[in-house]
Amino acid sequence: GAVVSQHPSRVICKSGTSVKIECRSLDFQATTMFWYRQFPKKSLMLMATSNEGSKATYEQGVEKDKFLINHASLTLSTLTVTSAHPEDSSFYICSAVLTGSHEQYFGPGTRLTVT
Amino acid sequence: AQSVAQPEDQVNVAEGNPLTVKCTYSVSGNPYLFWYVQYPNRGLQFLLKYITGDNLVKGSYGFEAEFNKSQTSFHLKKPSALVSDSALYFCAVALSGGYNKLIFGAGTRLAVHP
Repeated sequence: GAVVSQHPSRVICKSGTSVKIECRSLDFQATTMFWYRQFPKKSLMLMATSNEGSKATYEQGVEKDKFLINHASLTLSTLTVTSAHPEDSSFYICSAVLTGSHEQYFGPGTRLTVT
Repeated sequence: AQSVAQPEDQVNVAEGNPLTVKCTYSVSGNPYLFWYVQYPNRGLQFLLKYITGDNLVKGSYGFEAEFNKSQTSFHLKKPSALVSDSALYFCAVALSGGYNKLIFGAGTRLAVHP
């Protein structure tokens, strides 16, 4: 139980285009989901907190107009990287919080490469 | 400011030997502490957590961690390492006032040699 999926697992896009990454909790409802970014051989950097039915809360230094987050249902959050640039290339990981639990369940990550 | 430190970039250990991956934290209030493991190009897998209660916490795959309040540490341990334990390990602390929001350490790469 408590499985989180991400789609796609890998995506290559051209500079200037937008790409959407989906995060789904497959067998539980998640009021809260988180989006992280991980640089090579580095730790996870929290980008934003996604709450179902409300606006996402972004961490300091994260551009909300560039990284659009939509948490439209209790099982789905999406991250859209708008007007992507090569410096947006990274490994993006989402997590979902099982309601009533202290644990975050992490997705397998999405490797974004912007050419 | 709340933070987590993992002082070692890499830990090398021979298979069958005990392993320790160090973690210290700085938070206000009572900490919620976690260990996660990450395999290449994968998301994080939960290993164990400390919320309250016994200082020694047992988790997945034979790992355990000891919460030491006086030393503000939460070191990860395993009595006998396996080659398959080789991975990247992250210590994390949940921020006070919102246990869901995690701050991660920089990560420690564990290399277990046959």
